[in-house]
Amino acid sequence: GENVEQHPSTLSVQEGDSAVIKCTYSDSASNYFPWYKQELGKRPQLIIDIRSNVGEKKDQRIAVTLNKTAKHFSLHITETQPEDSAVYFCAATQGAAGNKLTFGGGTRVLVKP
Amino acid sequence: DTGVSQDPRHKITKRGQNVTFRCDPISEHNRLYWYRQTLGQGPEFLTYFQNEAQLEKSRLLSDRFSAERPKGSFSTLEIQRTEQGDSAMYLCASSSNLAGGPGNEQFFGPGTRLTVL
Repeated sequence: GENVEQHPSTLSVQEGDSAVIKCTYSDSASNYFPWYKQELGKRPQLIIDIRSNVGEKKDQRIAVTLNKTAKHFSLHITETQPEDSAVYFCAATQGAAGNKLTFGGGTRVLVKP
Repeated sequence: DTGVSQDPRHKITKRGQNVTFRCDPISEHNRLYWYRQTLGQGPEFLTYFQNEAQLEKSRLLSDRFSAERPKGSFSTLEIQRTEQGDSAMYLCASSSNLAGGPGNEQFFGPGTRLTVL
């Protein structure tokens, strides 16, 4: 089955700096890669996703890049703000069939004012 | 509220008791998923339904766990003879693979936090 590795497990950045989280996946058939943000005690919320026919996607201060050959994808947050502090999870799935998500272990991001 | 809802939000039970959780998906979503999340970890897939059909079950789902979605709308997850290792957050998510829809995005509910004493 699919295996998703996520690094780093914790990330501390100064407000205004950029944050980068990296994930690798094992199943070359995976074709949909969402990122979720989870604040303490809250539900995971989808913040951005990318499909395998696209190499990069951007939405305001967040962007995701995908390298299918290397089987890794990354989340980039620019101009970080204190409200970006949360746990971020990457995931992968053979999404064409809307199947189960396999999640990474999460990255706890702390943005220091 | 048009999002995914779950009930109860918290459940404390004694070892050996049975518990049942409910999930109400977004109304137009035909797919419903159950995940389990332990502290500091990412959600782990348990099972999912398309309409009323249970299409996949994880090996994590022991015989003590059963899930239903009898009318293709809400779903229940029952755990029989609970064990302390069952303590976790149980998350429900829904999505749609119907024509014209996004097909992939899973939207999560707030979860049910289970504590087994």
